[in-house]
Amino acid sequence: SQQGEEDPQALSIQEGENATMNCSYKTSINNLQWYRQNSGRGLVHLILIRSNEREKHSGRLRVTLDTSKKSSSLLITASRAADTASYFCATDAIQGAQKLVFGQGTRLTINP
Amino acid sequence: DSGVTQTPKHLITATGQRVTLRCSPRSGDLSVYWYQQSLDQGLQFLIQYYNGEERAKGNILERFSAQQFPDLHSELNLSSLELGDSALYFCASSPGRLEQFFGPGTRLTVL
Repeated sequence: SQQGEEDPQALSIQEGENATMNCSYKTSINNLQWYRQNSGRGLVHLILIRSNEREKHSGRLRVTLDTSKKSSSLLITASRAADTASYFCATDAIQGAQKLVFGQGTRLTINP
Repeated sequence: DSGVTQTPKHLITATGQRVTLRCSPRSGDLSVYWYQQSLDQGLQFLIQYYNGEERAKGNILERFSAQQFPDLHSELNLSSLELGDSALYFCASSPGRLEQFFGPGTRLTVL
């Protein structure tokens, strides 16, 4: 079963606007990661936030993590058409061997 | 380009058949992971190998098996294929317990 649940399932915005995607998870984690997937292609790692971090930035990306609520958000600022893709959060649980558990993803469409 | 390669890109086969998917990790990465992505199940972790040894198992069917060779490349073997096995199969590698680098995937179609 999926550990992460993402919200919304689909998001459509105009180019230049900001896009926010949310992720909730169930168990305690070592870290949470966000990946992007262009249609039918491999996943590309975007950013990793450790369980003791609350916010992280990378270029136009901003990720927050609230371990008390078991939730994370990904903000993409000043969106571009090339940002059109599916975005997945993935958690690395504290218990057990390393394996990433992915959410169902948010399908982001940037309209020109 | 992540540095992870997978072959073949596409595979079309019939029910009951057996196929082998191959993955070469990034240079220096000892861990290899296999994932299955389908419309109904999403992205599911199958199995992890670290330096030739099985490290973790996920939702991998008994009809599926994998191994990692001394040169660190890995193979995923799928046997007695069913229609429901049609999916994208991804391999990923990592240097440690951090981000994973994904290959382009193998699209398997079972007819």
